[in-house]
Amino acid sequence: AQTVTQSQPEMSVQEAETVTLSCTYDTSESDYYLFWYKQPPSRQMILVIRQEAYKQQNATENRFSVNFQKAAKSFSLKISDSQLGDAAMYFCAYRTQGGSEKLVFGKGTKLTVNP
Amino acid sequence: DTGVSQDPRHKITKRGQNVTFRCDPISEHNRLYWYRQTLGQGPEFLTYFQNEAQLEKSRLLSDRFSAERPKGSFSTLEIQRTEQGDSAMYLCASSPALEIIYGYTFGSGTRLTVV
Repeated sequence: AQTVTQSQPEMSVQEAETVTLSCTYDTSESDYYLFWYKQPPSRQMILVIRQEAYKQQNATENRFSVNFQKAAKSFSLKISDSQLGDAAMYFCAYRTQGGSEKLVFGKGTKLTVNP
Repeated sequence: DTGVSQDPRHKITKRGQNVTFRCDPISEHNRLYWYRQTLGQGPEFLTYFQNEAQLEKSRLLSDRFSAERPKGSFSTLEIQRTEQGDSAMYLCASSPALEIIYGYTFGSGTRLTVV
């Protein structure tokens, strides 16, 4: 079974600085998808960024980028120029390419942005 | 369309009672998912519908849990004979057929407290 591990329960960053959130996963599959979701205190989860395993190029969405290391099964999220609105729980998630439709989530990292 | 709607937002029930939650997905989304999130954990997959067909169920969905999506529109999740361990946030999400590209749209969840 696939597992997702987020080793940092909490992280903090100064406004305008850069922070990196870590995620590792375990799978025997070669084709899959990885996601980062943000869950603000209002509890509605929002997709931040996604990565297809077959793509070598790291995904980027504005201030958010990932460092995808397939051999190491690592998928970290970098947030540049952190803003107060970035404060939230961040969840890393895995989805197989075929078969199951489910997302497997990590336990999350709580990000605090200090003014 | 204002997104995925879940009702109620909060539910307090006595142990042993039955509860039912409702999820209204985005109208053009044919896929609907239920997840459960306990405190300090990431969401855990419960079940998935494509239109009205329930295509995948987690082993977490014990015989006390049942989900339906009549006519492929809204969905209900019923928990019979609730137990204290059922206390959690129940999240609903929907997606179009190309959910790999667009990701899920989550609702704000229903927080269940069993006393």
